[in-house]
Amino acid sequence: DTEVTQTPKHLVMGMTNKKSLKCEQHMGHRAMYWYKQKAKKPPELMFVYSYEKLSINESVPSRFSPECPNSSLLNLHLHALQPEDSALYLCASSRRGQGPNSGNTIYFGEGSWLTVV
Amino acid sequence: AQKVTQAQTEISVVEKEDVTLDCVYETRDTTYYLFWYKQPPSGELVFLIRRNSFDEQNEISGRYSWNFQKSTSSFNFTITASQVVDSAVYFCALSGGAMNSGYSTLTFGKGTMLLVSP
Repeated sequence: DTEVTQTPKHLVMGMTNKKSLKCEQHMGHRAMYWYKQKAKKPPELMFVYSYEKLSINESVPSRFSPECPNSSLLNLHLHALQPEDSALYLCASSRRGQGPNSGNTIYFGEGSWLTVV
Repeated sequence: AQKVTQAQTEISVVEKEDVTLDCVYETRDTTYYLFWYKQPPSGELVFLIRRNSFDEQNEISGRYSWNFQKSTSSFNFTITASQVVDSAVYFCALSGGAMNSGYSTLTFGKGTMLLVSP
């Protein structure tokens, strides 16, 4: 079983709704990630948090708002989404990197299937 | 820039056949890491293996084996005696990350869908 837990597993929301995706890990990892995956495509990086600070925002629209309340939790707040935002959203985590390109393994959760109607 | 190519979009085999999934990568880094992940229909990306650029030893884990050849920039994955439960999309990925950044980033290939029929 994965040690990265995501809730909810499935979410259907209207374009005017506000919802949140939640992610939790207890592996002591200090880097956490949000990826978006469309059907038949590889995952695409959205955000990276390192030591609870936002390190990467891959030009994601502001209707997606990440939050890292502590080292174990990662949220993705959703507001005014569009139908094209329907996708699998994957949370992941990895150990603190040590030195350049430590290549630490990124562990993924089971994902949250989001449908925007 | 980094790039990972998985030329096989879909492979279909019959149970008990051996199958090899190809992965070719491009990077200018001298130190890098390669990964394989399995994604069943449920959605979770399951980590299978991590290999660093200095370790060219082949690895075997049960029915799975990996062949890393730096000379051809390839990191191929073989499943021996395939089973229906092996049906999934398999992604090869290459790591990157800013120096001392504290995190890793992955460049994924497009994935190979493996269908194993009884």
